[in-house]
Amino acid sequence: SQKIEQNSEALNIQEGKTATLTCNYTNYSPAYLQWYRQDPGRGPVFLLLIRENEKEKRKERLKVTFDTTLKQSLFHITASQPADSATYLCALSMNSGYSTLTFGKGTMLLVSP
Amino acid sequence: KAGVTQTPRYLIKTRGQQVTLSCSPISGHRSVSWYQQTPGQGLQFLFEYFSETQRNKGNFPGRFSGRQFSNSRSEMNVSTLELGDSALYLCASTTGVSRPMNTEAFFGQGTRLTVV
Repeated sequence: SQKIEQNSEALNIQEGKTATLTCNYTNYSPAYLQWYRQDPGRGPVFLLLIRENEKEKRKERLKVTFDTTLKQSLFHITASQPADSATYLCALSMNSGYSTLTFGKGTMLLVSP
Repeated sequence: KAGVTQTPRYLIKTRGQQVTLSCSPISGHRSVSWYQQTPGQGLQFLFEYFSETQRNKGNFPGRFSGRQFSNSRSEMNVSTLELGDSALYLCASTTGVSRPMNTEAFFGQGTRLTVV
């Protein structure tokens, strides 16, 4: 069956450390993988997008990797801050779809001062 | 540039009733997708509309329906509400012209529906 798995347990880290979140998928062949941030009671906000033939993408303190052999993406936040505390969602877009995203359930990140 | 607007923000309905939610996409965007978000299932795709046509549909019962108007605004309707329909309903706006989707989706704040 098709699955997208993100750590269901919250990730607790200290301010200044690097947070690493994982997204694993099964029986999908995504063309693109996206990461979104969601705060409680709000809609997701786009962070980064990476193509299937890209290994790594960076934007300021954010870095995403995409390994289509392992079927895994890693999302890193360096020098984390309490304001980074939120739920982070990975989403796949497929060759067959136009505007449809298939989401993981998200991982909550808690950054303590 | 105005963002995606969803109305209303909150709704409380009784089982058996029906509800209509509205979404106004970003100006120039022709695609509107709807998602249901619950703690147990996460974000699940309901359907997508592009230029007034339903282009894709998720695995939800026929009680969930939608439409899109010529100005790209979209509505979704849920009939015969059940307790399990309580969720955050999100719409997402994109240009909708590329396949696969290679751009970001812009989400509204969502409508929190509670069925009692």
